[in-house]
Amino acid sequence: DVKVTQSSRYLVKRTGEKVFLECVQDMDHENMFWYRQDPGLGLRLIYFSYDVKMKEKGDIPEGYSVSREKKERFSLILESASTNQTSMYLCASTPDSQNRPQHFGDGTRLSIL
Amino acid sequence: RKEVEQDPGPFNVPEGATVAFNCTYSNSASQSFFWYRQDCRKEPKLLMSVYSSGNEDGRFTAQLNRASQYISLLIRDSKLSDSATYLCVLGTGTGGFKTIFGAGTRLFVKA
Repeated sequence: DVKVTQSSRYLVKRTGEKVFLECVQDMDHENMFWYRQDPGLGLRLIYFSYDVKMKEKGDIPEGYSVSREKKERFSLILESASTNQTSMYLCASTPDSQNRPQHFGDGTRLSIL
Repeated sequence: RKEVEQDPGPFNVPEGATVAFNCTYSNSASQSFFWYRQDCRKEPKLLMSVYSSGNEDGRFTAQLNRASQYISLLIRDSKLSDSATYLCVLGTGTGGFKTIFGAGTRLFVKA
C-alpha cells in the first residue's frame, strides 16, 4: 500500500518565519505534488515535481518554493510566512505521467499568527 | 466557467436511501476520471476510477458521459459512514499532465 508521510499534522508559526513542510513517499513514485486546500476553494496546486531536482509551478506558486533532492522527498518552503498562508497543505504522489490517481499524505494544518 | 463543477450540497439523506452526484467538466480533452472521498479534516482518498463503460464497486456506481461531459456517482443503501465530501477529479494529459479537483459535494447520511 502506498504511504505518503507528511512531517507534521499541525503547525503554528509566526509571520515572517521561514517554514519547511516535508513529505516522503515510500513507493518510488516519480511525481510529487503540493496543494493547499481552503474552504470553498477546493485543492489548488502550488508546485509539482516529476523527477529529482525538477520542479514546475502550479496554479498558486507565489510565496512558496520547493526542493526535491531525493526521489522520495519533496519539501515545500514558505520563504516568509504570511497570515494568508494559513491553510491545510496536502502532499500527493503518483507513479508516472499517465494520469494515475494521486495518493495523499495526512495533511498539515498550518496556522500563521 | 470552472473546469470542474460540482453541486456543493449538502445532501441530507436518511440511511438506506439512494443518492446521486453529478460533476460537469469543460475540457473535452480530459482523459481520466476519478471520485475521491474526503472526511472532515482528513486527506482525500481514492474511492474509484471512472471508466467509459461505467463501473461498479459494491454500493457505488460511477458513470462517464463524454458527449455531455459529465461523470456521476450513485450510492445505494446509504450508510452513516458514507457521510463525507465527494470530490470529482479529472486528468487532462495534454501538454504533460494536469489533475483538476472539484470543490466537492457534501453528503450527510442520518439515522
